[in-house]
Amino acid sequence: AQSVSQHNHHVILSEAASLELGCNYSYGGTVNLFWYVQYPGQHLQLLLKYFSGDPLVKGIKGFEAEFIKSKFSFNLRKPSVQWSDTAEYFCAVRNYGGSQGNLIFGKGTKLSVKP
Amino acid sequence: DAGVTQSPTHLIKTRGQQVTLRCSPKSGHDTVSWYQQALGQGPQFIFQYYEEEERQRGNFPDRFSGHQFPNYSSELNVNALLLGDSALYLCASTWGVTDTQYFGPGTRLTVL
Repeated sequence: AQSVSQHNHHVILSEAASLELGCNYSYGGTVNLFWYVQYPGQHLQLLLKYFSGDPLVKGIKGFEAEFIKSKFSFNLRKPSVQWSDTAEYFCAVRNYGGSQGNLIFGKGTKLSVKP
Repeated sequence: DAGVTQSPTHLIKTRGQQVTLRCSPKSGHDTVSWYQQALGQGPQFIFQYYEEEERQRGNFPDRFSGHQFPNYSSELNVNALLLGDSALYLCASTWGVTDTQYFGPGTRLTVL
């Protein structure tokens, strides 16, 4: 069965520190990749996505992610975090094409940014 | 432009009861997917509706059923509730089955 692994359950950083959250998936075919964010008390929001093309994807709020096909990875990065980035981050994968529209999510990484 | 809306926000039921959750998709979207998010976990896919039919189903028992109406809104029904059904139920909508999914705020179901 396909799966998505997020390596860190809880990450604590100080403001201005750099962030990298790991995500690996198990499916060997063509995939669409997503990072969603859930701020405290809010619903899941799309941060960025990769469908095809340039493997370095830029999203909202200064986030970016790199798709490395050979490593089955889609790590999320931000050069300098802010207190407002405190949230839970979810990586998700979808099989490309056909009727495979459902997303498979990782367990999430909680990010706490200290002011 | 209204996003995905869900009702109710919270719900408390007892074991054995039945529950119906509702979802209205984002304007222009015709496909609705339902997910269950247990505490401390990522969302798990329940099923997806497109053109008023269930198109895909995740690993959930038949106690979980759904419906999509001609206006693309959707319901999730859960029968014979178990304590383990306590979770946040999320609805996501897209245009077509493979477009980006946009999520609603969820319905928090507590089963006592």
